[in-house]
Amino acid sequence: DIQLTQSPSSVSASVGDRVTITCRASQSISTWLAWYQQKPGKAPKLLIHSASILQSGVPSRFSGSGSGTHFIITISSLQPEDFATYYCQQSDRFPLTFGGGTQVEVK
Amino acid sequence: QVTLKESGPALVKPTETLTLTCTFSGFSLSSSGMRLSWIRQPPGQPLEWLARIDWDDDKFYTTSLKDRLHISKDTSKNQVVLTMTNMAPGDTATYYCALYGVLSYAFDFWGQGTPVTVSS
Repeated sequence: DIQLTQSPSSVSASVGDRVTITCRASQSISTWLAWYQQKPGKAPKLLIHSASILQSGVPSRFSGSGSGTHFIITISSLQPEDFATYYCQQSDRFPLTFGGGTQVEVK
Repeated sequence: QVTLKESGPALVKPTETLTLTCTFSGFSLSSSGMRLSWIRQPPGQPLEWLARIDWDDDKFYTTSLKDRLHISKDTSKNQVVLTMTNMAPGDTATYYCALYGVLSYAFDFWGQGTPVTVSS
């Protein structure tokens, strides 16, 4: 199974900060990577797919990059509604897997 | 518009079989390219993909649970059913159904989730 390792597991930040989260795959997954945002008690919301393609309706302050085994999601200027947990997920091969999550907290 | 909703028992006893139903609207699972998955999340834990069924009835399961899971679809009822046998306290989680690959190569649409507790 492909393991996805996210770092950091949590980050404390303030509104306006630039936040970067990394996801590393245990083997190459090309660009078969998505990022989701999840708020407490809610289902995840798709932000980015194919490593760098912003889902329709997602603010442009979110961006993704990477290929192979190293991926990054960046929030260019953190907004109050962005405090949440973020997950990466690979679709290169079965079983589909998720990363362990990164919680973005208020500093 | 696409909607998905999970239903099933909120409480099951250890060793029992869990049956969850995902009822959807806004698409047909018999249409080419449609793929529906079940995903779970134990309290305070990350997401875990469980199973997927495709429009052509292909089925895929997570490695660690494949002997306990079965996924099926009823296209006439717009439902997908997941059964999980021999439930244990460690299976306590919120269970989601999600649609893959409609607008992207990812889980585009999610249900609200249904919480399941395993306890005697």
